[in-house]
Amino acid sequence: DSGVTQTPKHLITATGQRVTLRCSPRSGDLSVYWYQQSLDQGLQFLIQYYNGEERAKGNILERFSAQQFPDLHSELNLSSLELGDSALYFCASSREGDRADPTNEKLFFGSGTQLSVL
Amino acid sequence: ELKVEQNPLFLSMQEGKNYTIYCNYSTTSDRLYWYRQDPGKSLESLFVLLSNGAVKQEGRLMASLDTKARLSTLHITAAVHDLSATYFCAVEPAYSGGGADGLTFGKGTHLIIQP
Repeated sequence: DSGVTQTPKHLITATGQRVTLRCSPRSGDLSVYWYQQSLDQGLQFLIQYYNGEERAKGNILERFSAQQFPDLHSELNLSSLELGDSALYFCASSREGDRADPTNEKLFFGSGTQLSVL
Repeated sequence: ELKVEQNPLFLSMQEGKNYTIYCNYSTTSDRLYWYRQDPGKSLESLFVLLSNGAVKQEGRLMASLDTKARLSTLHITAAVHDLSATYFCAVEPAYSGGGADGLTFGKGTHLIIQP
């Protein structure tokens, strides 16, 4: 168990709908990352938050948004869903270490949310 | 744009054999990560390699990093069935602000070890 909690584990919805995925990071981790895993695109970085602020943005569509709350949990909102959004969405967290011991900065992944858009 | 290429993408091998998975990347980086993913499961961190010449070993797995060649290897020694999984390398660009932000993953190597 990585200590990163994602809910729900499975989500089935229809095209055009909106869903929210939730992530609770490991205790003490300030950074939260969202990744999308699909067969054709592989693992793609979507977005990172650090202590409530957006820190890095990857291949995140405009229909998707995320936020990190004061208690450090994060939500990924996916709207106007399309068939191609079906994927496994992972949340990961890391502890900001100093450069002298950056092994603290490795990512711990949650078990993912499997999204199926029908 | 940072590109990360793994090869092979699929590997079937017998128990007891040795093999190496290769990870090439396209831009300067001094941080490389290896992850393992079991079917239907999450990703488990295996190694973090931080500098040129870094070598780390755990059990039958050994990872190394050559930043000049932009190459990392994951070597499997005397493979056992329990090592069957998909292995990913991931690279952090050198220009990032620190921390494992914005990792670019390879497509993964699907490893099957036959008894």
